[in-house]
Order: sequence, then C-alpha cells, then structure tokens
Amino acid sequence: DTGVSQNPRHKITKRGQNVTFRCDPISEHNRLYWYRQTLGQGPEFLTYFQNEAQLEKSRLLSDRFSAERPKGSFSTLEIQRTEQGDSAMYLCASSLGGRGSPGEQYFGPGTRLTVT
Amino acid sequence: KQEVTQIPAALSVPEGENLVLNCSFTDSAIYNLQWFRQDPGKGLTSLLLIQSSQREQTSGRLNASLDKSSGRSTLYIAASQPGDSATYLCAVRGNAGNMLTFGGGTRLMVKP
Repeated sequence: DTGVSQNPRHKITKRGQNVTFRCDPISEHNRLYWYRQTLGQGPEFLTYFQNEAQLEKSRLLSDRFSAERPKGSFSTLEIQRTEQGDSAMYLCASSLGGRGSPGEQYFGPGTRLTVT
Repeated sequence: KQEVTQIPAALSVPEGENLVLNCSFTDSAIYNLQWFRQDPGKGLTSLLLIQSSQREQTSGRLNASLDKSSGRSTLYIAASQPGDSATYLCAVRGNAGNMLTFGGGTRLMVKP
C-alpha cells in the first residue's frame, strides 16, 4: 500500500492522559499536514511540515499539542493532558511540493480519539 | 481569513439523477481547489483538483468547475448511483501558505 497510513486507527483515553499518533506519508512526498475534524464539520488545519521543518501552525494548536517530523519521514502528533474537547478525528495528509507541482493533498484514514 | 461554504448541507436524490453541489469561498486569491469524498468514519478521498488557472476538471461521471473571480466552484455528478452516497467536501488552498480551508460538506444520499 503506497498511500498515507495512520496509527492507531482508534484511541480511547481518560481525561488527563497523554496520547501520541503516528502518520506515515506517501514515500516521495516532502510535505505533511495534520488536520482535526469534529462530527459533522469539515477538517480544520493544525500544522504543516516541509521535510523536517514545521513551517505553519494554527492557533488551534494549543500548548498541549506538539508535532514532530524527524528526518522528514513519518510524523507524530502528541496531545498532553487530554480534555474531552480533544475528542475528534485526527487526519494526516501529504503532498509533493515544489515549483510547478499541483500540490494535491492525499489523506490517510485518520485516528479517531475519544476522551472519556 | 478565507471562509468556505457548501450548499446544500444535505441532499437526497433518486438514482439516475444528475446533480450539482455548490462551493463558495470569500478570498479569490487561491492556488488551487480540491473536491473530496468522505465515507462515514473514514478518511478523505481526493476526487478532483483544479488549479487557479483552470476552469474545469473531469473524471468519469464527475465534473468540477471553478470561477475564481466570483469565488465559486461546482461539482457535477452525472447519472448518480447509490454508491455515490457520501459526504462531499470542497477545500481551497490560498496563495500564501499551504493549508487547505474546508467547507462544511454536503451529505449526499442516492436512493435506489
């Protein structure tokens, strides 16, 4: 499978616990994005990497959220001290960036987080 | 700040009908526009991407048009089938930055 993969697919955690999600982008893609989607809404942008550099962060990304992309390959998104409002689907996407590239973003299956 | 609106929010049609989904955006300075399909509880599948210099794109029974000056895009689905039932999302990428701004989606149900 050469698409974007995400693990785990589902995560149930108690309020106050830390969680970490992983995203593996399409192998030749240098850009990686995280979005969050709540029920009945469109996804909202969280953060963006070009290679290993985190270039954009939304104000939605509070201090409890941190994302990394070591060596410009896979990425992790960590949420510390989870709150019930963090319950959502966390989506990862990747694209090929550069001059002349159409920049089409391809999404993974998402990680569904439930905070109890 | 870019805002994207999709109308209608939900649509139910009998099988075989041709239908149009609408997307509008407030800032015409866009790099591209993508249409996605999302099945319940799943990720997003890219259907069509239209560059800002293009007017339309076609893939099978799908045709997407873009009128950048008026801030509108439409997704036309010909001869709808029950398997087309899903949520359709429109997303815009601006000229500054690489993030996509999404509309709220149109939930489509095609009845046999």
